[in-house]
Amino acid sequence: QMQLVQSGAEMKKPGASVRVSCKASGYTFTSYDINWVRQAPGQGLEWIGWMNPNNGDTGSAQKLQGRVTLTRDTSISTAYMELSSLTSEDTAVYYCTGNKALTGDFDFWGQGTLVTVSS
Amino acid sequence: QAVLTQPASLSASPGASASLTCTLRSDINVDTYNIYWFQQKPGSPPQYLLRYKSDSDNRRGSGLSSRFFGSKDAPANAGVLLISGLRSEDEADYYCMMWHSNTWMFGGGTKVTVL
Repeated sequence: QMQLVQSGAEMKKPGASVRVSCKASGYTFTSYDINWVRQAPGQGLEWIGWMNPNNGDTGSAQKLQGRVTLTRDTSISTAYMELSSLTSEDTAVYYCTGNKALTGDFDFWGQGTLVTVSS
Repeated sequence: QAVLTQPASLSASPGASASLTCTLRSDINVDTYNIYWFQQKPGSPPQYLLRYKSDSDNRRGSGLSSRFFGSKDAPANAGVLLISGLRSEDEADYYCMMWHSNTWMFGGGTKVTVL
């Protein structure tokens, strides 16, 4: 079955960067876009950005532009989300999710990665 | 004003029906948009439920119970998720989502409690 497995929890200091990985299995990696969504503790969902693994095209939320970088390694079917200049407001669970291009049909999700930013 | 507004909570009895609304900002016409719905239980990632644009243009998630149904309330400018025959397993947070201004936008979520 289609599955996304994310890297483990991270603890970072303010100003640092974090990279979260999302490994796909059970389908052709380049057939589905990868979107990233985060959820601060006790809060709602916030979209971070998307990537087309086939051609590497990306887009991101205006609020995070300049701080977020979305990449992929097709040889190992893995997508990456890197967020720089971290503050405590970036403390959240980060999810990757797969969808057919140009749709919001986020059919399958990673298990989530907790990123904690604290001094 | 938020693009998508959802009531923070909703309580209903087992077996009852629940209507979850997702109201669009007044300058955005619900008729022209796909509205997506997700369910999230504590400690788990969100789960895709369905997409609804119209009766002829919609999509249900794989294995979704027939108790879940999407619609729109045009006069209220809102997307609607209907849950019939509520069960304890339906207790969760429900989020709506739409694509607007090159951004996937989420509503704030509705916590459904089955009393």
